[in-house]
Amino acid sequence: AQSVAQPEDQVNVAEGNPLTVKCTYSVSGNPYLFWYVQYPNRGLQFLLKYITGDNLVKGSYGFEAEFNKSQTSFHLKKPSALVSDSALYFCAVRDIRSFGNEKLTFGTGTRLTIIP
Amino acid sequence: NAGVTQTPKFQVLKTGQSMTLQCAQDMNHNSMYWYRQDPGMGLRLIYYSASEGTTDKGEVPNGYNVSRLNKREFSLRLESAAPSQTSVYFCASSEGRTGTDTQYFGPGTRLTVL
Repeated sequence: AQSVAQPEDQVNVAEGNPLTVKCTYSVSGNPYLFWYVQYPNRGLQFLLKYITGDNLVKGSYGFEAEFNKSQTSFHLKKPSALVSDSALYFCAVRDIRSFGNEKLTFGTGTRLTIIP
Repeated sequence: NAGVTQTPKFQVLKTGQSMTLQCAQDMNHNSMYWYRQDPGMGLRLIYYSASEGTTDKGEVPNGYNVSRLNKREFSLRLESAAPSQTSVYFCASSEGRTGTDTQYFGPGTRLTVL
């Protein structure tokens, strides 16, 4: 079984400050990890993914995420927050051993609010 | 490229009514998915189709049926709607060629069952 947890329902950050949105996962084998963002009344948009290789993954809009196998975490980060980053963020995981079956498991989401 | 499109955008049903949510993608993707999004629960997979002609149950399939009409289209049917099916429904697609494929989402259908 695969699962993902986003421990914070809400994160507030002042504009210009660094931001972190937390994600931890559980899989039997090795994980594929994804971050998506959802703006109001819109579908989910892909931000970045970790498949293998470098633990620091860079994605869209200046976001990056760090894969930490020992802590089973994949936190989303940005050095300087913008008001336009305010949105709902979802972490998702797929077990590498489930090849041929591409089901993703999503976290419950973290609402990020950037305060001007 | 329109990507993934869904119709309708909004729908209000009475308990017991039926309806079909339509989804189409123009990216020549093999795999397609239906999710529902509920507050505090994230996205939950209802059904998916790994390739044309195949469908499989996801996490919450009860009360739903699906049809993979062709490679482009994947519809979700509610035969007898219940208030518990009030939700936002998202369709997604992916290439389905490797296990690392990104899923691309449609804009969603907001369904209310009274």
